[in-house]
Amino acid sequence: GAGVSQSPSNKVTEKGKDVELRCDPISGHTALYWYRQSLGQGLEFLIYFQGNSAPDKSGLPSDRFSAERTGGSVSTLTIQRTQQEDSAVYLCASRTDTGELFFGEGSRLTVL
Amino acid sequence: GENVEQHPSTLSVQEGDSAVIKCTYSDSASNYFPWYKQELGKGPQLIIDIRSNVGEKKDQRIAVTLNKTAKHFSLHITETQPEDSAVYFCAASKGGYQKVTFGIGTKLQVIP
Repeated sequence: GAGVSQSPSNKVTEKGKDVELRCDPISGHTALYWYRQSLGQGLEFLIYFQGNSAPDKSGLPSDRFSAERTGGSVSTLTIQRTQQEDSAVYLCASRTDTGELFFGEGSRLTVL
Repeated sequence: GENVEQHPSTLSVQEGDSAVIKCTYSDSASNYFPWYKQELGKGPQLIIDIRSNVGEKKDQRIAVTLNKTAKHFSLHITETQPEDSAVYFCAASKGGYQKVTFGIGTKLQVIP
């Protein structure tokens, strides 16, 4: 497709389980960002990848969160031992060289 | 790091009236200030942006102003329409592929 694709769109999991969220960015965009949006909250930066540079992980809230980007394209955000406070919409965006972020529709995570 | 504050958090206006959303930022090195609109169930979408070498930019009913000395920028929507109802986010970045920091968002309701 032409836009940023995220999967799954909805994920319900039990506390303590691991989850993986996938992002397929727009072809040719070298930068990829992950944000978290909790109910009624703003966009909390998690991590971004730019080309072959080391990712900026400064926004990851704990060591239970990790992300990788394979082949400079698809990215996976992994949350281990999920907690109820991890419930949120996780948004992925890829970025043009002019600065515009193109967001996917997000993955809504619910931890029971 | 950068801190972006946005207000008001909610705003209701009558159709045809103007709406103004204001943001401040903390890092004087920031030089790129985009505004995003998020409709229910969707990812945010860029509506307008401004760079630090200009003070104002217009696009039809939308305008953004920037005061670098005071470190604040504003979004102005004139002749509001019901389809303008959404959550609006301001953001700041140092440009290039740097981290983009978002405000908490403003929920705009346009009353027909």
